[in-house]
Amino acid sequence: DGGITQSPKYLFRKEGQNVTLSCEQNLNHDAMYWYRQDPGQGLRLIYYSQIVNDFQKGDIAEGYSVSREKKESFPLTVTSAQKNPTAFYLCASRRGAFDEQFFGPGTRLTVL
Amino acid sequence: QKEVEQNSGPLSVPEGAIASLNCTYSDRGSQSFFWYRQYSGKSPELIMSIYSNGDKEDGRFTAQLNKASQYVSLLIRDSQPSDSATYLCAVTQGGSEKLVFGKGTKLTVNP
Repeated sequence: DGGITQSPKYLFRKEGQNVTLSCEQNLNHDAMYWYRQDPGQGLRLIYYSQIVNDFQKGDIAEGYSVSREKKESFPLTVTSAQKNPTAFYLCASRRGAFDEQFFGPGTRLTVL
Repeated sequence: QKEVEQNSGPLSVPEGAIASLNCTYSDRGSQSFFWYRQYSGKSPELIMSIYSNGDKEDGRFTAQLNKASQYVSLLIRDSQPSDSATYLCAVTQGGSEKLVFGKGTKLTVNP
């Protein structure tokens, strides 16, 4: 059963904490993406990776970090430097540059 | 900054009617165009992709692309209350792996 999984579904962070959001895919897709969605807003790209051990900043990378050690996994760390991290975080993957992009179920992060 | 613009809505149609959703984009190098449906609190779900000028039909959905006018649309025939959602237009940024998303149009289908 192929797909994209994200965990946890809900995450609560205290001020000053780093948290890591998990994203795993078994679709054998090369490219993976992290987006942030705020209420009433479109999707904004945080980071993306086209191949293992390589990734690029998106439009709002400040305060976030990623790694791509395995093709299947693309975890996102929200650092304490991200001043307004409360949002819905979406991971996506696609096979190639012009192919469809598929989304995981998302992680909703709230700062306490 | 490449842009994708959508009517913000909300768009309200009666059950059984045709819903028309529109999207314009600024990057002439774009080659792939997608429509996603997003229910409240859920992640986006791909419903249509289109790559060449003209119409593409899939069930009750028809995507239309006009690259000369930099315009892509989605028609939903025989609209159902279950179609009530926000529809996101996404366009591949020319020369990159990135998708640029519009802010979405909220559709409500009234029984």
